[in-house]
Amino acid sequence: KNQVEQSPQSLIILEGKNCTLQCNYTVSPFSNLRWYKQDTGRGPVSLTIMTFSENTKSNGRYTATLDADTKQSSLHITASQLSDSASYICVVTHSGAGSYQLTFGKGTKLSVIP
Amino acid sequence: EAGVTQFPSHSVIEKGQTVTLRCDPISGHDNLYWYRRVMGKEIKFLLHFVKESKQDESGMPNNRFLAERTGGTYSTLKVQPAELEDSGVYFCASSPNPGQGRNEQFFGPGTRLTVL
Repeated sequence: KNQVEQSPQSLIILEGKNCTLQCNYTVSPFSNLRWYKQDTGRGPVSLTIMTFSENTKSNGRYTATLDADTKQSSLHITASQLSDSASYICVVTHSGAGSYQLTFGKGTKLSVIP
Repeated sequence: EAGVTQFPSHSVIEKGQTVTLRCDPISGHDNLYWYRRVMGKEIKFLLHFVKESKQDESGMPNNRFLAERTGGTYSTLKVQPAELEDSGVYFCASSPNPGQGRNEQFFGPGTRLTVL
């Protein structure tokens, strides 16, 4: 069964601190992995995308890593800002039957406090 | 350029009633997807249109759900009759080019459906 597990479920950090969010997946056949940021009341927005051969990808203060052997990914946020408060969702794309489908994790709810 | 828009943003209906959700994808995007997030669960795939054709509807929960995309532009998702377990946030997403897994899907803000 295709699954994406994220941890922690929620996290509270002080403004300026770093944090790392985790994602484990059992999805096959793997196509790519994205981290999405979802602000309250908005749709998810893609932060990074990594394919099987990519093990790190940065987007400003966001750095994602991928270990395709262990099927683990992480999202590291550096020097957090209040605007980073959101849900971060790990999404794995898998192919099959002529179509691509996305399997979502439940997300990590991050709260950055002053 | 306008993003993916969804209407309404919220809908509260009684069990047994009918509700129709609308999604306007980004102009020129052939691919349109519907997803649903039930409270406490992850976002799950419902179906995928390529232009006006249903490419994959394996995620549709049952025949009370009907999705259409006449003309290959906007799409509607009708729930008839609605049940309590249909409550959740319904997201629409669109992407350019046919069926390329690397293409980013752009999500709308979602429609929050509450069935009482």
